[in-house]
Amino acid sequence: GAVVSQHPSWVICKSGTSVKIECRSLDFQATTMFWYRQFPKQSLMLMATSNEGSKATYEQGVEKDKFLINHASLTLSTLTVTSAHPEDSSFYICSANGAGYEQYFGPGTRLTVT
Amino acid sequence: AQSVTQPDIHITVSEGASLELRCNYSYGATPYLFWYVQSPGQGLQLLLKYFSGDTLVQGIKGFEAEFKRSQSSFNLRKPSVHWSDAAEYFCAVSRGNNNDMRFGAGTRLTVKP
Repeated sequence: GAVVSQHPSWVICKSGTSVKIECRSLDFQATTMFWYRQFPKQSLMLMATSNEGSKATYEQGVEKDKFLINHASLTLSTLTVTSAHPEDSSFYICSANGAGYEQYFGPGTRLTVT
Repeated sequence: AQSVTQPDIHITVSEGASLELRCNYSYGATPYLFWYVQSPGQGLQLLLKYFSGDTLVQGIKGFEAEFKRSQSSFNLRKPSVHWSDAAEYFCAVSRGNNNDMRFGAGTRLTVKP
């Protein structure tokens, strides 16, 4: 149990286009989901906290108009990178809160912007 | 705000040797502590966690960690390392349910044959 999926697992897009990444909790409901970003050989940095039915809370320095987060249901949160640029290329990982104070992580999405 | 420090960026050990990865945290109350492992290009796998109770926590793959409040530490140990343990290890701290998780910088483990 407690499986989180992400789709797609990798995506290549052209500079200036937008790309959407989905994060789903497959066998549990998650009122809170988190989005992290990881640059090569670096740690995970929290981007935003996504709460079902309300606006996401963004970390300092993260552009909310560039990284649009929607948490429309208890099992789905989406991250849309708008007008992507090469510097947005990164590994994006989501997690979802289950019961018992634990976060369950998705497998990650590798975004490459050309 | 909570924070996590992993002092060792890279550690190399011989296969069969013991391992200890260090983790120090900064938080006013008792934190929720985690160790994750990440293979290249992969997501995170939870090795073990500490919420309360026994300060020595057993995890998967033969790993264990000990919570020491007096030292603000949560070091990860394994008595005998296998080549397949080579990966990136992250210590993380959370304040509890529905709260975000903060990660250390990670320690890259290399295992020599």
